[in-house]
Amino acid sequence: EVQLVESGGGLVQPGRSLRLSCAASGFTFDDYAMHWVRQAPGKGLEWVSGISWNSGNIGYADSVKGRFTISRDNAKNFLYVQMNSLRAEDMALYYCVKDIGLWWDKRGTFDIWGQGTMVTVSS
Amino acid sequence: QSVLTQPPSASGTPGQRVTISCSGSSSNIGSHSVCWYQQLPGTAPKLLIYRNYQRPSGVPDRFSGSKSGTSASLAVSGLRSEDEADYYCAAWDDSLSGYVFGTGTKVTVL
Repeated sequence: EVQLVESGGGLVQPGRSLRLSCAASGFTFDDYAMHWVRQAPGKGLEWVSGISWNSGNIGYADSVKGRFTISRDNAKNFLYVQMNSLRAEDMALYYCVKDIGLWWDKRGTFDIWGQGTMVTVSS
Repeated sequence: QSVLTQPPSASGTPGQRVTISCSGSSSNIGSHSVCWYQQLPGTAPKLLIYRNYQRPSGVPDRFSGSKSGTSASLAVSGLRSEDEADYYCAAWDDSLSGYVFGTGTKVTVL
């Protein structure tokens, strides 16, 4: 069964850091690009970041550029996002998402989604 | 604020056809393919349509997508109670150099 399981969410103070992890199983992890997509409570979806199969191509939404860093470990089948200088507006459910292609590019299609991990930013 | 605009809500009775629009611009829908995602209450989104009109395996043919110019549409025919969900369009945006989602449409089955 294809599965993505996120972890690492929780309550964090503004300005602090958090690292989210995503364990992938049931497919050949290094054959696909991966993404993080978030959803603030009661709001719509927002693409956060994407990474190609070999980490050679990476992109970020303007809202997180310079603060978030996406990475992957193909040997362990894990996707990560390091989130620094967290703000109240970063509070959301963060989804780990699989792409149908190798590359993070203009044809991005998100075919498998995890259940998400909640990040709450509050003092 | 999303660059892809959808109506906030749509509704229909069982068996009816409902259409959801997604309005963009030349930097997104006008130049790139569109995907549609269905989010049932309390669950993660699910890919419904990709590359404008393609359906992944397992998605009923009651769901169909189309694109014309800088707009796209999702049609749900033979509406069923289990189709009650939020629906989002998505596309690459050249101006933002990233993916953008639509504002979302809540479909209610009356």
